[in-house]
Amino acid sequence: EIVMTQSPATLSVSPGERATLSCRASQSVSSNLAWYQQKPGQAPRLLIYGASVRATGIPARFSGSGSGTEFTLTISSLQSEDFAVYYCQQYSNWPPLTFGGGTKVEIK
Amino acid sequence: VQLLQSGAEVKKPGESLKISCQGSGYDFLNYWIGWVRQMPGKGLEWLGVIYPGDSDTRYSPSFQGHVSISVDKSISTAYLQWNSLKASDTAIYYCATQEASGVITLDFWGQGTLVTVSS
Repeated sequence: EIVMTQSPATLSVSPGERATLSCRASQSVSSNLAWYQQKPGQAPRLLIYGASVRATGIPARFSGSGSGTEFTLTISSLQSEDFAVYYCQQYSNWPPLTFGGGTKVEIK
Repeated sequence: VQLLQSGAEVKKPGESLKISCQGSGYDFLNYWIGWVRQMPGKGLEWLGVIYPGDSDTRYSPSFQGHVSISVDKSISTAYLQWNSLKASDTAIYYCATQEASGVITLDFWGQGTLVTVSS
């Protein structure tokens, strides 16, 4: 099973600033990596797949990069609606699909 | 695309339970349905997936034998079932559409079903 590790666990950012979230895989997943956003009381929402491709309707301020074992999600200028928990998920070797533990982006 | 999940459940340890996920607005038979667990205050865990067209099912090794996934094509509904619940099954359970090849992401999600297991 591929283990996904996210850092930091919590990121404190001021509105309008850039947020950089990291995700590391225990072995190479190539570009088979997705990112999700989850707000309190809501189901997760797919943001990015293929490590860098935005899902339908996702704003351009969200961008993903990386391949192999190291990945980054960048939110270029945080809006109020972006404060949430973000998860990465690999789909290179499954079952099972595996998620990282999440990064909570909170208001500084 | 809409996935409508059944309502919250409160059960005792050892009891059985079946929760549902009804799809609408798309070709239900030709899209896999996956299930994801979220324990209180915790992250996401993938349990397994089913293809409604032929009931092909795949499980996470961590959950195989403890849950079962099934489907009723006639009513476009997928199910997640337990024969003997434990307190540690307390969680929100989400269903979501999922592919099984290529880009394997969870694209459209249900609203979640809260399962509480307590004596």
